Amino acid sequence: KQEVTQIPAALSVPEGENLVLNCSFTDSAIYNLQWFRQDPGKGLTSLLLIQSSQREQTSGRLNASLDKSSGRSTLYIAASQPGDSATYLCAVRQMNRDDKIIFGKGTRLHILP
Amino acid sequence: DVKVTQSSRYLVKRTGEKVFLECVQDMDHENMFWYRQDPGLGLRLIYFSYDVKMKEKGDIPEGYSVSREKKERFSLILESASTNQTSMYLCASSLRGQHYQPQHFGDGTRLSIL
Repeated sequence: KQEVTQIPAALSVPEGENLVLNCSFTDSAIYNLQWFRQDPGKGLTSLLLIQSSQREQTSGRLNASLDKSSGRSTLYIAASQPGDSATYLCAVRQMNRDDKIIFGKGTRLHILP
Repeated sequence: DVKVTQSSRYLVKRTGEKVFLECVQDMDHENMFWYRQDPGLGLRLIYFSYDVKMKEKGDIPEGYSVSREKKERFSLILESASTNQTSMYLCASSLRGQHYQPQHFGDGTRLSIL
């Protein structure tokens, strides 16, 4: 059974620093991995989607990487800002599991002004 | 841009009431999903629908039912609400069989059962 893990559960970082969020998964038979952002009390906003054949995707200050064979993905945030404070979730779409995706529990990020 | 709209942001109901949560998407997606999100437990799939009138149980379907009479609308029903159903409910949609396309989420409904 696929398990998606995000460690740490919470992270505080001073403004301006670069940071990395981690996501690991146990079954490498995936179609894609998606990173989401969630602000308190709100829904999920898709940030980046990496296909299984890709190694990374970039959007502005965000860069997501995927190492499918080792079951790992990272979300790199450059020059962090207080507005980046949110919960970040990763999710994988597993092969042969219909169109469902499996979520990690997220990393709650706090950028200190 | 895909838009997934949940009818209420906040909802307060009483134990035993029948509760309807509505979700509408505007991109002709075949798949629609209902999740609940609780602290420490993450997102858990309640029900999934891959076409009109088609539904499939997720990980935690007990106490819930769903209705998909039109392609754009997916309703979650709490037949007799209980306090342990107080939660954040999230709806999502995606294209069927398009494994390289993302899921799109609504803004969520925070439901409190008193």
